[in-house]
Amino acid sequence: GQQLNQSPQSMFIQEGEDVSMNCTSSSIFNTWLWYKQEPGEGPVLLIALYKAGELTSNGRLTAQFGITRKDSFLNISASIPSDVGIYFCAGRPGTGKLIFGQGTTLQVKP
Amino acid sequence: DTEVTQTPKHLVMGMTNKKSLKCEQHMGHRAMYWYKQKAKKPPELMFVYSYEKLSINESVPSRFSPECPNSSLLNLHLHALQPEDSALYLCASSLLPGGVEDEQFFGPGTRLTVL
Repeated sequence: GQQLNQSPQSMFIQEGEDVSMNCTSSSIFNTWLWYKQEPGEGPVLLIALYKAGELTSNGRLTAQFGITRKDSFLNISASIPSDVGIYFCAGRPGTGKLIFGQGTTLQVKP
Repeated sequence: DTEVTQTPKHLVMGMTNKKSLKCEQHMGHRAMYWYKQKAKKPPELMFVYSYEKLSINESVPSRFSPECPNSSLLNLHLHALQPEDSALYLCASSLLPGGVEDEQFFGPGTRLTVL
């Protein structure tokens, strides 16, 4: 089946640093969603992208829908300890089901 | 109300028990989903309900039985589960099933342990 390659798998950074993660696919996607999940909780939707080239911000978070429609990235600026968690990208090819990346585990050292 | 709620938060059951997981949303969403999630893995789709009708069953074993009594409620009935079924079970909802602008909102999950 279709897969999303999400990288990096994990990151351990210093508080205040910027973070970048991305997802790539061999297929064209019509939708890209970015979620954050904290331990014991469900994924929380951070940013939704629907148009190629779209750049959307949510506070310190910025995500872009790649112009080829096969990739997306998420940037976090000036990281803080509460940014810790697992970040998942999810994409939809056409009107089918959501496909999730394997997640990026972020740890922030105060 | 922009929330998906799930009960119970935690559930421990034996392999011969019958239990149910419940999910509720009051956002007027017409698509509801059950996902299973193992530790540090992405959610895996189990079932999709579209306008209260089962539209997708991802080849889930019959010991999991979903039910959608109305547009706001989604249940997952469990019977004769195996220890490997222990996981976080997530419910999600979205406004319209399969639409291009179809953001899925997740509940907090039920942590299930099968002994």
